[in-house]
Amino acid sequence: KNEVEQSPQNLTAQEGEFITINCSYSVGISALHWLQQHPGGGIVSLFMLSSGKKKHGRLIATINIQEKHSSLHITASHPRDSAVYICAVLPYGQNFVFGPGTRLSVLP
Amino acid sequence: DAGITQSPRYKITETGRQVTLMCHQTWSHSYMFWYRQDLGHGLRLIYYSAAADITDKGEVPDGYVVSRSKTENFPLTLESATRSQTSVYFCASRSGEGPYNEQFFGPGTRLTVL
Repeated sequence: KNEVEQSPQNLTAQEGEFITINCSYSVGISALHWLQQHPGGGIVSLFMLSSGKKKHGRLIATINIQEKHSSLHITASHPRDSAVYICAVLPYGQNFVFGPGTRLSVLP
Repeated sequence: DAGITQSPRYKITETGRQVTLMCHQTWSHSYMFWYRQDLGHGLRLIYYSAAADITDKGEVPDGYVVSRSKTENFPLTLESATRSQTSVYFCASRSGEGPYNEQFFGPGTRLTVL
C-alpha cells in the first residue's frame, strides 16, 4: 500500500526561525509535490520535483529519491507562513497519494 | 470566473438525503478529481475522470456517484447521505498525467450530515 508520512504533525515556531518539514514515502515515484493549505482552506502547489533541490523565495524543497525522502525548508519564517503543508507523491502510473499534513504556526 | 469553482461552499443535510456537489473548471483540463479531507487523514481520492464520459473509482468510492458529460463539469452525488460522509470535499483538475502537470484545487465544500 502506498504510504506517505510527514513529520512533525504540528510545529510552532517563533518568527524568524528556520523550519524543516519532512516527508517520507514507501514506493517508487515519478514526482513529489509540496502543497500549502491556508487557514481558509484553499490548497496551492508550492513545488513539483523529482530530483535535487528547488528554491522559491524563502522556501526550499529537496528530495532524495534513493532514500524516498523529501524536506521542505522555510528560512526566516513569518506569521503569514502559518498553514498546513502537505506532501503528495505520484507513484508511477497512479494518482497522487497525500500525506496527512504538517500544521505550522509561526508566532510574532 | 476563470479557474476551478465548487458549489455550494457549505451544506448541511440529513441522513438519507441525496446531495450533489458541483465542480466547474474553465481551463478545459482533461483530468478532474474529487477528494475528501478528514482529520487524521490526508486527502483521499473518491473518484477521478480522465476525460468526458470516462470516470474511475479512487480509494474511497462507496456511497458516491459521479458523472462527466462535459469536460468542464464534474458533479459528485451522495445518493443517500450518511454521517460518515461529513467531511470537506475538494475538487481538483490537471491538464495531463505527467509528473509536472500541476494539480489545481477548488476552494472546497464543507458538508455536514446530521
